[in-house]
Formats: sequence, structure tokens, C-alpha cells
Amino acid sequence: DQQVKQNSPSLSVQEGRISILNCDYTNSMFDYFLWYKKYPAEGPTFLISISSIKDKNEDGRFTVFLNKSAKHLSLHIVPSQPGDSAVYFCAASGTQGGSEKLVFGKGTKLTVNP
Amino acid sequence: DTGVSQDPRHKITKRGQNVTFRCDPISEHNRLYWYRQTLGQGPEFLTYFQNEAQLEKSRLLSDRFSAERPKGSFSTLEIQRTEQGDSAMYLCASSLGSSGRGNEQFFGPGTRLTVL
Repeated sequence: DQQVKQNSPSLSVQEGRISILNCDYTNSMFDYFLWYKKYPAEGPTFLISISSIKDKNEDGRFTVFLNKSAKHLSLHIVPSQPGDSAVYFCAASGTQGGSEKLVFGKGTKLTVNP
Repeated sequence: DTGVSQDPRHKITKRGQNVTFRCDPISEHNRLYWYRQTLGQGPEFLTYFQNEAQLEKSRLLSDRFSAERPKGSFSTLEIQRTEQGDSAMYLCASSLGSSGRGNEQFFGPGTRLTVL
């Protein structure tokens, strides 16, 4: 049973426009959420995170929104650049003790066209 | 370079052979994780160390897999009697560990294992 779901395997946007990547989760114990970016043959690179006590976190062109009642989060990239083309993974963890291991979605491949 | 490093980057082996991978975490990080990623999937948790203690293992980690972190520094992951189903990218991550305040994990480049 997938606890973290990214239902769009791919997304294509024009350079300069907004990219919106979505993620849903099912486990109510998750209280910390992260987005990672991955290029082929490299490990995931941490982008941005959000705690469940917040509903928005911004870092430059990247903003993550969290809707706890809907168990949904999204990553907005504005403006999108060709270098943003990569696979984006949503991850979740529970921070109340234990390993705080990350549970990942299957990823969304973003293509930003010049 | 002060990031997470992994060695080797690629390993091709024949079924039935043993393989060992190494991970060097970011030096001040006390938490170390191993994940496995197969094609079309996100990384899946295998095991976790807090300093030198292995505190959690996934059911994915069969008895052919063993991991160590002597002295709480680098870690090794050994797979005995490899099977074709072990072919995957093996990822190591480390973090400072800040329970209750979030746990950003930083990943190495991975070791790509191919079992023929």
C-alpha cells in the first residue's frame, strides 16, 4: 500500500511559466514533508521541506504548500527554467521518535521546454 | 567535497557472488540511512544507524543483507549470494538527526548494482 503518491508520472511546461507538482499521503503519522530533485545517475538532492505545523514554505523560486485536512502537498516552481528538468520526489516522515525514515512517492518527471 | 560519498559508483557481478558497498556520510552527521531504488520507483528504506547502533531494519532487508557502521563513521552494506532481483541503485543518506524538528537527509550519488 503506497503511503505517498505522486499521481502524475510526467509534466511538461514552458520556460518562465509555473510548474506545479502534486503529492498525496495517507498516513496521519507523517508530520514532515520534503521534496527532492534527481538527475539521472545521481542521488536525490534536497530542495525544500515543510513541517505539519505550517501550510507554506518558500525558498527562492520554490514554494511548498501543505493541506493537512486533504493530506495533500504541492511544489510550485516559479519561474520554471530548463535546468529544472529532472525527476521530483515527494517524501514524508514521522518525527516523533524512531528512525524518521523517509517514505517516497514514485516521482514526477518535469520537462521545462525553452 | 563535504557531501556524502559512496564507493563504488557501479558494480557488475554474477549471480551468487558477494558484494560490499561503502558509504562515507557528512562528517558531523550521526544518522545514516541506506535506501534502494529500482526503475520507476522512489527510494525505499532499508536500514538506519544512529552513530554505530543499527536501530531499524526494513522487511526488505533479507538475511542475505548485512550493514555495519563501526565507530559511527563510514558504513558498509554487504549482499551475500546476490540474485538478479538485487539489481538496483543503492543510496546512502546522512542527517544531523533533530527528532521532532525535521530530518533533512542528504544523499550520496549511489552505487548502481547489476547482477548478471
